[in-house]
Amino acid sequence: GQQLNQSPQSMFIQEGEDVSMNCTSSSIFNTWLWYKQDPGEGPVLLIALYKAGELTSNGRLTAQFGITRKDSFLNISASIPSDVGIYFCAGQLNWRGSARQLTFGSGTQLTVLP
Amino acid sequence: EPEVTQTPSHQVTQMGQEVILRCVPISNHLYFYWYRQILGQKVEFLVSFYNNEISEKSEIFDDQFSVERPDGSNFTLKIRSTKLEDSAMYFCAREGQTADTQYFGPGTRLTVL
Repeated sequence: GQQLNQSPQSMFIQEGEDVSMNCTSSSIFNTWLWYKQDPGEGPVLLIALYKAGELTSNGRLTAQFGITRKDSFLNISASIPSDVGIYFCAGQLNWRGSARQLTFGSGTQLTVLP
Repeated sequence: EPEVTQTPSHQVTQMGQEVILRCVPISNHLYFYWYRQILGQKVEFLVSFYNNEISEKSEIFDDQFSVERPDGSNFTLKIRSTKLEDSAMYFCAREGQTADTQYFGPGTRLTVL
């Protein structure tokens, strides 16, 4: 099956700093999604990307869909304490109505220090 | 967008017992998914369910698993004979207004003793 490599595995940053994380795949996806998960809860959708090269923002979050369709990155600017959590990328092939399941990366654990 | 609700929030069971996990959509959707997440690991796809039929399933979704929508509303995942390695968070997800997005429920923590 398709595999997603997400890095870094964990990050410790000071409040106010910017942070970047990325995912790469051995095969293409037609949709990239970024989720945040707090302990004991379900993943919450942050940003959805639908087209190669697309750059999308949601507040302090910015994500891009790589030109090759095999990678995506997420940037968080001016981090705040509530940004703490695990961030997951997820790819979806969704070819002609099938293969709609999401393939998740292994996650980036973000810790924001005061 | 409105999410889905899941019950129970935590289920503890003995190995070999059957469990049923429930997902209740708030609005009428056709596409649903079950995923699981073993503690400390990534989220893994189990099965997709469209128009009351299984659409796709992963290698994890073996004969011990089944899904159905018995009353046209609740969407259930059944594990017939639980194993220790079935201990995980189980998430139900539904598609959003854009077919490529998925919204997750809060999950059911299954603990198999």
